[in-house]
Amino acid sequence: DARVTQTPRHKVTEMGQEVTMRCQPILGHNTVFWYRQTMMQGLELLAYFRNRAPLDDSGMPKDRFSAEMPDATLATLKIQPSEPRDSAVYFCASGQLSVTDTQYFGPGTRLTVL
Amino acid sequence: AQSVTQLGSHVSVSEGALVLLRCNYSSSVPPYLFWYVQYPNQGLQLLLKYTSAATLVKGINGFEAEFKKSETSFHLTKPSAHMSDAAEYFCAVTLYSSASKIIFGSGTRLSIRP
Repeated sequence: DARVTQTPRHKVTEMGQEVTMRCQPILGHNTVFWYRQTMMQGLELLAYFRNRAPLDDSGMPKDRFSAEMPDATLATLKIQPSEPRDSAVYFCASGQLSVTDTQYFGPGTRLTVL
Repeated sequence: AQSVTQLGSHVSVSEGALVLLRCNYSSSVPPYLFWYVQYPNQGLQLLLKYTSAATLVKGINGFEAEFKKSETSFHLTKPSAHMSDAAEYFCAVTLYSSASKIIFGSGTRLSIRP
């Protein structure tokens, strides 16, 4: 049963520290999404990639966030420096080419910035 | 630009009762519509999707939704609620385009009373 995996599942860090979250998409999926979920804002799309190329990162604060796909099996989301307002659950999802295709979500990384 | 509105952030029904979760969309062209479910401490998973085929779409766990263009609605229903249906439900919309992205609603939390 293929699944999207995310590491770490939980991360507690102090303000100003760098945070790296990793995602392994389902093998064969060529589209990867990063979402952030908070009580106040709900589910927000931060960025997404197709065939490892960034298609849209307009939802991401550019000054501190960066997203990359170094290869087809790994997507990363970095925050540097982290701030308390970045505390949220970050989800990675993967899918096929068409936007009508199902997105398969990982279990999320719960980030707490003190 | 497309958008979705979910009416009611919290819905509570008795076990065995009808479940009705409301979703209205806004789109200048025929959209593609989805319902996703999120169980506690998990990522989202697809319940069902409408991609311009049959207007009544059946999904997993006994859920179904009907696309009504005249009402711009895509409400989710289940004839008889089960305790295991307690979760958060998200309606989402996209357009068929290689550059399109999926937009999620704010979510509706479904509680089931014994």
